[in-house]
Amino acid sequence: ETGVTQSPTHLIKTRGQQVTLRCSSQSGHNTVSWYQQALGQGPQFIFQYYREEENGRGNFPPRFSGLQFPNYSSELNVNALELDDSALYLCASSPQGTNTEAFFGQGTRLTVV
Amino acid sequence: DQQVKQNSPSLSVQEGRISILNCDYTNSMFDYFLWYKKYPAEGPTFLISISSIKDKNEDGRFTVFLNKSAKHLSLHIVPSQPGDSAVYFCAASDPSGGSNYKLTFGKGTLLTVNP
Repeated sequence: ETGVTQSPTHLIKTRGQQVTLRCSSQSGHNTVSWYQQALGQGPQFIFQYYREEENGRGNFPPRFSGLQFPNYSSELNVNALELDDSALYLCASSPQGTNTEAFFGQGTRLTVV
Repeated sequence: DQQVKQNSPSLSVQEGRISILNCDYTNSMFDYFLWYKKYPAEGPTFLISISSIKDKNEDGRFTVFLNKSAKHLSLHIVPSQPGDSAVYFCAASDPSGGSNYKLTFGKGTLLTVNP
């Protein structure tokens, strides 16, 4: 059973640029959620994807968008990067329809300069 | 508006003693609560959970207590071990907005277990 994997682990971008982060969900899990963890804060829910459609969204602007693919992997895209977007981005996968724990990847550390 | 609050940023205990981490919440719609542990440079790892229909759940050294009337939960670790040193996040599951639940996290408590 493979766990949740995210890529890249670190990257540095310039303000105004666009970035794509990737996530492979745990085997058998068809739901993927993305979280942003700023320094000294807990993870904040960005959005969730189920069956390739957005299935709930947190308080993030439209320049945060995502995709889910038929194999349940997912991408998080952020356009027009701002300095405050610097954070750890976490992907979590879970099986659909169960009120159970989500399994997290190791995260992608994004720095915007 | 923080719906899940962990008011202690840090906690230090001696090895072998009990660690008690606390969490308060404000949203009465939360129906499932989880504790995650996070080491530096790793993603959060699930520890233990509790449904709102229960008041206690135990798994080895870890016990979670839920007091719905007070909107308070706590995680007890007995006995504490140096390897337990990590940031502990309390999270609550919100049933609104979809078939699988989003998690609302507290800011975390840094637990240090001293040998």
